Amino acid sequence: KNQVEQSPQSLIILEGKNCTLQCNYTVSPFSNLRWYKQDTGRGPVSLTIMTFSENTKSNGRYTATLDADTKQSSLHITASQLSDSASYICVVTGFGNEKLTFGTGTRLTIIP
Amino acid sequence: EPEVTQTPSHQVTQMGQEVILRCVPISNHLYFYWYRQILGQKVEFLVSFYNNEISEKSEIFDDQFSVERPDGSNFTLKIRSTKLEDSAMYFCGIRQGAISEQFFGPGTRLTVL
Repeated sequence: KNQVEQSPQSLIILEGKNCTLQCNYTVSPFSNLRWYKQDTGRGPVSLTIMTFSENTKSNGRYTATLDADTKQSSLHITASQLSDSASYICVVTGFGNEKLTFGTGTRLTIIP
Repeated sequence: EPEVTQTPSHQVTQMGQEVILRCVPISNHLYFYWYRQILGQKVEFLVSFYNNEISEKSEIFDDQFSVERPDGSNFTLKIRSTKLEDSAMYFCGIRQGAISEQFFGPGTRLTVL
């Protein structure tokens, strides 16, 4: 069964600090992996998308990595801001189908 | 990022009633999706729609659900006879780009009483 697991479930850090969120998946064959940011009660907003051949991608203070061999990805947030408080969701698409498999997300809280 | 609107933003209905949720992409798109998110749980795929046909659906998308694009613009999700467990946020997704970048609408909160 295709699954996406994220850790930690929740994280609290001080404003200005860095953090790294983890994602492990079992989706196979693999097509691409995305990271989304979701504010409470809102739709997910795309941060990065990586295919099999990419192992890192940056979007401002967000940097995602992908190891397709170990089926792991991480999202690193640099110099966190209060507006980074949200859920971060890892989403994996299998090759040849339209279905996105969502992780349960990491709830990130930035405190001043 | 393309703009996708959803209406209504919040729908309250009685159990057993029919509801129609609408998704309006601003630009022309070919691929459409519906997802739901029960409060406190992860987002779940419901259905994908391409070229006026369902291309894939999940086990959640049973006979109570249907989708269509009646006027070539609006993309609708109909729940024929709502149940209490249908209460959730429903997100529309649109796809553009060669590697399936997907964008989500702001969601419709459905509350079934």
